Amino acid sequence: EAGVTQFPSHSVIEKGQTVTLRCDPISGHDNLYWYRRVMGKEIKFLLHFVKESKQDESGMPNNRFLAERTGGTYSTLKVQPAELEDSGVYFCASSPLTGLDTEAFFGQGTRLTVV
Amino acid sequence: KQEVTQIPAALSVPEGENLVLNCSFTDSAIYNLQWFRQDPGKGLTSLLLIQSSQREQTSGRLNASLDKSSGRSTLYIAASQPGDSATYLCAVLNEKLTFGTGTRLTIIP
Repeated sequence: EAGVTQFPSHSVIEKGQTVTLRCDPISGHDNLYWYRRVMGKEIKFLLHFVKESKQDESGMPNNRFLAERTGGTYSTLKVQPAELEDSGVYFCASSPLTGLDTEAFFGQGTRLTVV
Repeated sequence: KQEVTQIPAALSVPEGENLVLNCSFTDSAIYNLQWFRQDPGKGLTSLLLIQSSQREQTSGRLNASLDKSSGRSTLYIAASQPGDSATYLCAVLNEKLTFGTGTRLTIIP
C-alpha cells in the first residue's frame, strides 16, 4: 500500500513567486493534515481537512496560504506570494476517519526555500 | 493550549548504552501519543503509538511509556546503535497533533 506522498520534495523559489505543494494521502483516509517546520522550531499545525471540508485552519499563518482538497482526495497548499519566512519543511499527514485515537501517517515532506 | 516539551534537546551516548528520552505535555486530555523519528532531510517515521488507555508500547529495542495523569512519556532505547542517530519527536493528539521540539540523538561508535 502506498504511503502519504508529497511533491515536490524540494522547491527553491524567489521571494514574491508562487509555489504549490501537493499531498496525496493514503487511499481511504478522510483526515488530511498540513504541518510546517521552520528552521530551529517545532513542527506546527497548519490545517486539517475531513474529506473536502476544512475542519480546522487555525494554524494557517496568513492569507498568503491557501489549501484545497477538491473531491476529498489529494490536497494542495499554495503560497502566494512567497516570503523569506515561509522557508521550511511542509509535512502532510493522513489518518482514517475511524475515531480520534488513530495513527497519523506522514509524508516525506516538501523542503521549501524562498530566496 | 497544548504545549509539548522534550528534554534533553540533544544527547550523545556511546554505542551499546541504554537511554531514555523524555516528553511532557500540559493538557492530559489526549487521545494518544506518538513517537516519531526524523532523519536529516527525510520525513517522519512513526515508531510507537500509545493510546490514552495504555501505559506502554514496545517495538524491538524501543519501549514507550505513558503517564497521562502527570503529562509524561518516555522513550527507552536499549542497546543503542549508530543507526539510532536521528531526531526523536513526540506528538500528542487531542483536537490535533501537537509536536515537541525534538531530541537530537547521536550514538557514538
